[in-house]
Amino acid sequence: EDKVVQSPLSLVVHEGDTVTLNCSYEVTNFRSLLWYKQEKKAPTFLFMLTSSGIEKKSGRLSSILDKKELFSILNITATQTGDSAIYLCAVEGWVWGGDMRFGAGTRLTVKP
Amino acid sequence: EAQVTQNPRYLTVTGKKLTVTCSQNMNHEYMSWYRQDPGLGLRQIYYSMNVEVTDKGDVPEGYKVSRKEKRNFPLILESPSPNQTSLYFCASSLDPGPEGTEAFFGQGTRLTVV
Repeated sequence: EDKVVQSPLSLVVHEGDTVTLNCSYEVTNFRSLLWYKQEKKAPTFLFMLTSSGIEKKSGRLSSILDKKELFSILNITATQTGDSAIYLCAVEGWVWGGDMRFGAGTRLTVKP
Repeated sequence: EAQVTQNPRYLTVTGKKLTVTCSQNMNHEYMSWYRQDPGLGLRQIYYSMNVEVTDKGDVPEGYKVSRKEKRNFPLILESPSPNQTSLYFCASSLDPGPEGTEAFFGQGTRLTVV
C-alpha cells in the first residue's frame, strides 16, 4: 500500500535555528514529490521534486530528493516566527495527476 | 486572480443533506476533495479527471460528487454522520504531464456534524 511518512510530527525551535524535516515514501509509479506549507487553512505550494540529487531553493528554504532511498528533506535555515506552520509532504503517482498521497505533516513552532 | 473557491467556510449540521461547493477559475482538468483530520494528514475522498469523469479516492464512504462543468466539483453528504466532522479541502490542477504538477487548494470548509 502506498504511504508517505513524515518526521518528526512536531518540532519546537527558537528563532535563528536551522531545522530539517523528513519525508519517506513508498509509492507505486512515483512521479513527483511536493512540499506544501499550511498556516491558517489552505496548503500553499513550496517545491516540486522529480529528480534525485537536485536541490531546490527558495530563500531560506531548500529541499532535495533521493529516489534511491525514497526520501526527501526540507531544510529551513535562520528560522523566523513566520515559519511556524504545518509542513506537508505529498507524493504524486502515475495513475493521474491528482493522485497525491499526503503524509501526516510536521507541525513546526518557532519561538521568538 | 487564480483561485479555488469553496463554500461555505464553516458549517454545522444535524444529519440533513448538505453540499459543499467548489469552483476554480484556472481551467484545470483535475479536481479532487480531501479531508484533513489530526494526525492523519490529507486523505483523498474523490477525484475527477475531467467533466463527467469521477472516481473514488481513499475514503469515499458517505460522500458523493459530480462534475457537470469543468470549473465546478461539489461534494455532497446525503446523510451526514458525526465521523464526517472534519476540515475539507477542494483542490485543482492541470494535466500533470510526465513530471507532475502542483495542486491549488481552496480555503477549506470546517464541517461539524452533531
